[in-house]
Amino acid sequence: QVQLKESGPGLVQPSQTLSLTCTVSGLSLTSNSVSWIRQPPGKGLEWMGVIWSNGGTDYNSAIKSRLSISRDTSKSQVFLKMNSLQTEDTAMYFCARMRTGNYWYFDFWGPGTMVTVSS
Amino acid sequence: DIQMTQSPASLSASLGETVSIECLASEGISNDLAWYQQKSGKSPQLLIYAASRLQDGVPSRFSGSGSGTRYSLKISGMQPEDEADYFCQQSYKYPLTFGSGTKLEIK
Repeated sequence: QVQLKESGPGLVQPSQTLSLTCTVSGLSLTSNSVSWIRQPPGKGLEWMGVIWSNGGTDYNSAIKSRLSISRDTSKSQVFLKMNSLQTEDTAMYFCARMRTGNYWYFDFWGPGTMVTVSS
Repeated sequence: DIQMTQSPASLSASLGETVSIECLASEGISNDLAWYQQKSGKSPQLLIYAASRLQDGVPSRFSGSGSGTRYSLKISGMQPEDEADYFCQQSYKYPLTFGSGTKLEIK
């Protein structure tokens, strides 16, 4: 059974760095790709980036300069780090398995972790 | 970036009614489109991928169609559990982008 679960600090001060962890079970990170997606309160979804099964990464150009995605395959964990946080980064942050091949889509999602940027 | 314009922003439907939601891409996306359902306080759930392929376990009343820049999600026979937000998503080009969402309520 595939499961993903996000964890993080909940509250981050402006200009600080956000660190989130996505812990996966039921799948191997060496043969699956994982994306981070966020959703501001009451708004739509924004794809942030992906870490591929080979460890390579791709990011949304809008936030690429602030974002880093990495992983620890031995712990089945994927990490997100984003610096210079502002209030507009307040959102629910999701990790999701990204199916690849002829079509790319997200078939398993974590429940999300809420991040509030405030002093 | 490819813009995904979703319509309507909201609609209400009676039980048993057939509902359609549309997504218009700013350029052709070659059926590289998925639909998701998001219930209140939950994470999105995949309904349709490759524009028309039903994800395993999703009720057959959900269907997807379209080509080029125009795509639609149809619910044939609204059920109480279908009350949710619906999003389209393209993966044809980076960055992957989502539509702004449709809020579907029971009338």
